Amino acid sequence: ILNVEQSPQSLHVQEGDSTNFTCSFPSSNFYALHWYRWETAKSPEALFVMTLNGDEKKKGRISATLNTKEGYSYLYIKGSQPEDSATYLCAVTGTASKLTFGTGTRLQVTL
Amino acid sequence: DAGVIQSPRHEVTEMGQEVTLRCKPISGHDYLFWYRQTMMRGLELLIYFNNNVPIDDSGMPEDRFSAKMPNASFSTLKIQPSEPRDSAVYFCASSLADGADTQYFGPGTRLTVL
Repeated sequence: ILNVEQSPQSLHVQEGDSTNFTCSFPSSNFYALHWYRWETAKSPEALFVMTLNGDEKKKGRISATLNTKEGYSYLYIKGSQPEDSATYLCAVTGTASKLTFGTGTRLQVTL
Repeated sequence: DAGVIQSPRHEVTEMGQEVTLRCKPISGHDYLFWYRQTMMRGLELLIYFNNNVPIDDSGMPEDRFSAKMPNASFSTLKIQPSEPRDSAVYFCASSLADGADTQYFGPGTRLTVL
């Protein structure tokens, strides 16, 4: 059973601030890491899938990095906007297709 | 494509009744997943299928839960008999390929068991 941990649990930033959060996972038996954005009352929306050590992905103001040797990934948001407010979920899969989700980081961006 | 379709969106039922949740995956996707989201446990995988065959059902909580995928475009998750602790949001997701491929989530079914 994979243990996926995310920190912080919640985060409150001002509009325009840049922020980042962490996803930690066991480095052994790693296959892929997924980041999802989940707004209240909606379904999780895929942001990135990363598999290779050193991978960096970017989508607009959001980017992510992956370190499979030490077992962590960072998600960065540059110049946060109120519409970025959501829960950001990290999920990891080992050799099977089964995703194990972390409990998420809840981000609140205020004006 | 319409994305993953789930029905009903909301279900309220009484304890002891049978509940059937439905999912239509994205056309051409070979993998289908059923998840449950609760405050206590977050988002947890119940079961997943590959090419209509159940691969891993270790997340199914107990014998009251069953899932089927009779064809590539339809799956059901059944709870019989339902209990109040089954109240949760149930998501269906599908993907083209294996764990390195993006999973696309449906809108979810909010189940309330009274």
